[in-house]
Amino acid sequence: DARVTQTPRHKVTEMGQEVTMRCQPILGHNTVFWYRQTMMQGLELLAYFRNRAPLDDSGMPKDRFSAEMPDATLATLKIQPSEPRDSAVYFCASGPRGRVEVEQEKLFFGSGTQLSVL
Amino acid sequence: RKEVEQDPGPFNVPEGATVAFNCTYSNSASQSFFWYRQDCRKEPKLLMSVYSSGNEDGRFTAQLNRASQYISLLIRDSKLSDSATYLCVVSPSGTYKYIFGTGTRLKVLA
Repeated sequence: DARVTQTPRHKVTEMGQEVTMRCQPILGHNTVFWYRQTMMQGLELLAYFRNRAPLDDSGMPKDRFSAEMPDATLATLKIQPSEPRDSAVYFCASGPRGRVEVEQEKLFFGSGTQLSVL
Repeated sequence: RKEVEQDPGPFNVPEGATVAFNCTYSNSASQSFFWYRQDCRKEPKLLMSVYSSGNEDGRFTAQLNRASQYISLLIRDSKLSDSATYLCVVSPSGTYKYIFGTGTRLKVLA
């Protein structure tokens, strides 16, 4: 089965350190999303891409977060410097088409990165 | 006000019961609607899309009320395996965004 692959599954780091999370979307999918999930806020959309171009990153704290797609098979989310409030599960998801006129598009999620910043 | 709001629950129901969840959304231009299911410590997975005319998939029925800006999910004959968090998802027209509610927890009790 095709699946979205995220690495690492777990990351424990100290405050101030750089954290890089990686995502391999499903081959052929051209929309990629980064979400952060906490108990209090639920799933928050941080950023998303279509055909590797960033469309919206308004959900990200710009001073410390950055998201990129160096190529079609890799999306990265970086936090520098990390803070304890960044502790959460970070999910990557990809979608098959990304055309606005196509409704009812299914998102496929990776297993997430559990981040703990001490 | 959040763009998508759900009652967090938990809804504790006995096996075989019928349970319904509602979700309200604030953007009247929203175009696509979904219910996702998330098990503890797992990723969300699509349960069903929600169509304007309403749709059914086995024991699950989804309805959309555009006038009142809410969607609903009805689960009949609840099973223990239905215990999970149910996430309402809305996609505004003209965007590729998928906005998730915080989820409603369901516990089906033996």
